[in-house]
This record gives sequence, C-alpha cells and structure tokens, in this order.
Amino acid sequence: DSGVTQTPKHLITATGQRVTLRCSPRSGDLSVYWYQQSLDQGLQFLIQYYNGEERAKGNILERFSAQQFPDLHSELNLSSLELGDSALYFCASSPSKWGGSLATNEKLFFGSGTQLSVL
Amino acid sequence: AQSVAQPEDQVNVAEGNPLTVKCTYSVSGNPYLFWYVQYPNRGLQFLLKYITGDNLVKGSYGFEAEFNKSQTSFHLKKPSALVSDSALYFCAVRDAKAAGNKLTFGGGTRVLVKP
Repeated sequence: DSGVTQTPKHLITATGQRVTLRCSPRSGDLSVYWYQQSLDQGLQFLIQYYNGEERAKGNILERFSAQQFPDLHSELNLSSLELGDSALYFCASSPSKWGGSLATNEKLFFGSGTQLSVL
Repeated sequence: AQSVAQPEDQVNVAEGNPLTVKCTYSVSGNPYLFWYVQYPNRGLQFLLKYITGDNLVKGSYGFEAEFNKSQTSFHLKKPSALVSDSALYFCAVRDAKAAGNKLTFGGGTRVLVKP
C-alpha cells in the first residue's frame, strides 16, 4: 500500500459529461501529480500541485482542470468528455516540490488509479 | 526537452533466465533515472533510481539497472526471472535542472515470464 488513495476506482460515464477524480496523498506529502495512462499514449504527465499551487504542467487538455485543497487532497476535473478520454488516471505524491537532492523524496508514490470509461 | 524510449513492447523470458528491459533517454542536463513496475489492476511501484554515484543501482525484488552515460541508457536487469515478475515496466527520466518533479515516462515494456 503506497498510502495514496484514489477514488473512485472505476467510473463509467457518457460523452459530454463531467467527472471529478479525487486523490488523497500520503500523509505529509505536499506534492500531488496527475498522470493519464492510455493504450496508445502510454503514461502521460498531466499536472503537478505543490502545497496548493500549480507547480508544473504537462499534456493537460483545456477541458481538464485540477486543484489542490488546503488539506492537500487534489481533484482532477474532466469535462465535455470524449471517447478518447477513456484511460486509467493515476495520482502520485511526494514530499518535495522539486528534486535536487539524494533524499528519498525523489520517489513518487502512486495510487492504484481510477479507470475511466467514456461510452 | 526530455524523452525516454523503451524499444521493446514486450519481453518474453523463461523462469530462471536473465531478464533485461531496455531504456534509453534524452535530457539536456544530467539525468535522474527511475524504473517503476505496474502489476495488473494496481498502481505503479518504485523499483529503483539513479541520481549520481555508482553506475550500477540495486533496487527492489532483486532488480538492478546500469547507467551508461555514453550510450544514454539505463537498462533494467534481473539475473534470474520469476513468474511473479510478469508485469508492465516503465522507465522514467527527469532533467536534474528542471523545475518541479515532472517525470517523463517511456511507453512501457510488458514482461512475460513463462514457467
């Protein structure tokens, strides 16, 4: 158990809808990362938050948004869903906002993912 | 920009034989390199990392990886594979100078260990 909790585990919805994925990081971790894993794109970094602020942005669509709340949990909002958005969405956490040391905070701890199916 | 390539979509190996999963990378600065494993219906798990120092890195579950700067490679190895090693393996890289902790992942290599 990584200590990162993602809910729900499975989500089935229709095109055009909006969903919210939730992530609770490990206790004490300030950074939360969102990744999308699809069959054709592999694992893609979406966005990182550190202590409530956006830290790094990857290949995140404008239809997607995220935020990190004062209690450090994070939500990924996906709107105007399309069939191609069907994927496994992972959340990860780490203590630091960036690497640069040899400490174990270079490691990311991943949740089990939310499987999103858009029908 | 940073990138990672895992040239093999799948690696098949017999139990007890050596296992190698290939990874090459590209970064503008010095690389931080990682291997993660994903078991079916589970999240990614950290195996090992290279930050600096000894080019041979030992990690979890008997895995090791060798950093080769001249070949820009970071191949994952295990001397004797187990059936339970069957999973999806991801190599990842981060530029040491880059802000944030953004990792770039390879496309993954499926490992199938047959009894």
